[in-house]
Amino acid sequence: ETGVTQTPRHLVMGMTNKKSLKCEQHLGHNAMYWYKQSAKKPLELMFVYSLEERVENNSVPSRFSPECPNSSHLFLHLHTLQPEDSALYLCASSQDKGQGIGRTGELFFGEGSRLTVL
Amino acid sequence: AQKVTQAQTEISVVEKEDVTLDCVYETRDTTYYLFWYKQPPSGELVFLIRRNSFDEQNEISGRYSWNFQKSTSSFNFTITASQVVDSAVYFCALSEAPRAAGNKLTFGGGTRVLVKP
Repeated sequence: ETGVTQTPRHLVMGMTNKKSLKCEQHLGHNAMYWYKQSAKKPLELMFVYSLEERVENNSVPSRFSPECPNSSHLFLHLHTLQPEDSALYLCASSQDKGQGIGRTGELFFGEGSRLTVL
Repeated sequence: AQKVTQAQTEISVVEKEDVTLDCVYETRDTTYYLFWYKQPPSGELVFLIRRNSFDEQNEISGRYSWNFQKSTSSFNFTITASQVVDSAVYFCALSEAPRAAGNKLTFGGGTRVLVKP
C-alpha cells in the first residue's frame, strides 16, 4: 500500500455538481496538504492542515472546501466549479515537528486526482 | 516572498548522456530548505533530496548529484549516464524557515526531461 492514497484518480463533473476528493496517508504524519497542478503553471499550494487544524488557506475560492477529520484523512469538497478549475489535485503529507530546526520538511505526495470540469 | 525559477522547460537527451537541471531561488530567510522532486507520468511527486541552507556540501546518490551554491542562490541537479526511466518532470522547491506549522513548499515551474533510447 502506498504512503499517500488519493481517490478518485480521475473525475469528470459538470459545473453544478458536488463531488469530493479523498486523501489518506499511511505514514503516521501529522500535517496534510492540497496542491493544484494546472497545465503551464507551477504547483500551487491550496490548503495546509497541521494537527487537524487548518493553518493555511492560500486565497482559494470558496467553491473548494477542505475537511480534515483526523490526521490520516483529508478531503476536498467541490461545488459549482468552473472549467478553469480542471487540473491535477495533489495531496501530500509530512511530519510537522513544530517550530525549530529539527523539522525536515519533505512532503510525500499521492498520485493525484485529475479533475475535468465540463 | 519566495520564488523558485527553473529556466529550462524541457530537455531532450539520448540515453547515457549527462543532463543538468538548473534551479535558482529567492528568499529573505537565512534558514531554509531546498528540495528536488521527480514526477513520472503516473503523477506522483517522488522526493529525491533535501538540503538545508547551512549545508553547502554537494551530494551524490548513485547517478544523481546536486550542486548547492549559496553565493549564486542555485541548487542544480545532474543525472549522469541518463536512462529512459529518468524521463519525467523534475521540480525544484524551497521551504521557508520552520516558524509556523506546516511545511509550505514553493515550487519551480518544472523541467521536463525526455531521455531517448
